[in-house]
Amino acid sequence: NAGVMQNPRHLVRRRGQEARLRCSPMKGHSHVYWYRQLPEEGLKFMVYLQKENIIDESGMPKERFSAEFPKEGPSILRIQQVVRGDSAAYFCASSPPTDSYEQYFGPGTRLTVT
Amino acid sequence: GIQVEQSPPDLILQEGANSTLRCNFSDSVNNLQWFHQNPWGQLINLFYIPSGTKQNGRLSATTVATERYSLLYISSSQTTDSGVYFCAVSIGDDKIIFGKGTRLHILP
Repeated sequence: NAGVMQNPRHLVRRRGQEARLRCSPMKGHSHVYWYRQLPEEGLKFMVYLQKENIIDESGMPKERFSAEFPKEGPSILRIQQVVRGDSAAYFCASSPPTDSYEQYFGPGTRLTVT
Repeated sequence: GIQVEQSPPDLILQEGANSTLRCNFSDSVNNLQWFHQNPWGQLINLFYIPSGTKQNGRLSATTVATERYSLLYISSSQTTDSGVYFCAVSIGDDKIIFGKGTRLHILP
């Protein structure tokens, strides 16, 4: 039973380029969450999605960031016109549609903006 | 919003020692998880423990929901236990709020 999958594991972008981060939840999980971890800090919530719906995007920067979880395929976190301050580890988590609220995390994507 | 405080922020121990990590939270929660982030950055689920006590090998955890704290016990520490231990809480199926972590360094 595969865990949460994220790709790429490492991504290097120049300032102004676009970054696309992908997340495939665990089998049977319909809830997806994205978190960002800056160096030497804890994880901060960005967005919570269910299939084709954004449930809570209160942690998303107002500009340049967007997320989707289509009916088919992985969830995508998209960062347009990246800046150096976007350099961070981006983690995806998933949870099942049951009474358990436990979240399972992927290995993360480390984004470096040069 | 909910505040999560972890203590101590840093801990250096000799291999074989025992340790207790604490997590205080400011509101009632229905999800509390402990994670270990290893030196390679991977987040490993240790416990899902909104209340009660659980044990897994050398690790155990206790959450006293009415008093809004949780404890993580590590016995007979090994060098592979090094890393950062995070406590995270939530209300419902929404985002989980992470503490700042306890950085544990086990010396051989």
